[in-house]
Amino acid sequence: QQQVKQSPQSLIVQKGGISIINCAYENTAFDYFPWYQQFPGKGPALLIAIRPDVSEKKEGRFTISFNKSAKQFSLHIMDSQPGDSATYFCAASARSNDYKLSFGAGTTVTVRA
Amino acid sequence: DAGVTQSPTHLIKTRGQQVTLRCSPISGHKSVSWYQQVLGQGPQFIFQYYEKEERGRGNFPDRFSARQFPNYSSELNVNALLLGDSALYLCASSLSPTRGTGELFFGEGSRLTVL
Repeated sequence: QQQVKQSPQSLIVQKGGISIINCAYENTAFDYFPWYQQFPGKGPALLIAIRPDVSEKKEGRFTISFNKSAKQFSLHIMDSQPGDSATYFCAASARSNDYKLSFGAGTTVTVRA
Repeated sequence: DAGVTQSPTHLIKTRGQQVTLRCSPISGHKSVSWYQQVLGQGPQFIFQYYEKEERGRGNFPDRFSARQFPNYSSELNVNALLLGDSALYLCASSLSPTRGTGELFFGEGSRLTVL
């Protein structure tokens, strides 16, 4: 069964707009929540990650919001640029399970100039 | 510094054949994991190795096997290939599965097409 559910499947945003991707999980043992960015023909690249002891983490134009009680986390891409057009995957893992990643199904983001 | 390197980058096989994929982790990383990514889906965990020992196996049939060598490089073998094995096979490396931070660094993958 899919342990991490991701939505939407795809989204289109205008240059300068905000992209929001949401993920939900059930396994309360998860203690590491990374986001990966993948361009066509390439492997996933770690974008930003958060642990459940904080509710928000920001790196440049990318922000993760984390709601432990709701078991949800989201990625916000501010001031979206055409170069941000890619597929984004949320994931989750647990130290107790040797950090084996469970991925969401992915969101394809298209930024229109 | 070199990242995770995988070979071959692309290959085509026919049903019933066998394939071996290779991975070299980032220098200093001792753990290697393998993931399968079917087109349009997120990666699925196949194997994790640390210090040459298997640390975990995902929900894949026994046709899939792997090993890790003393230099921490790894091979993934798939026997009796099926059409459904067509996918991008990703290798990821990390410092350690238990003492590390959880960060996995992926290679660019080996694209396998089974005809």
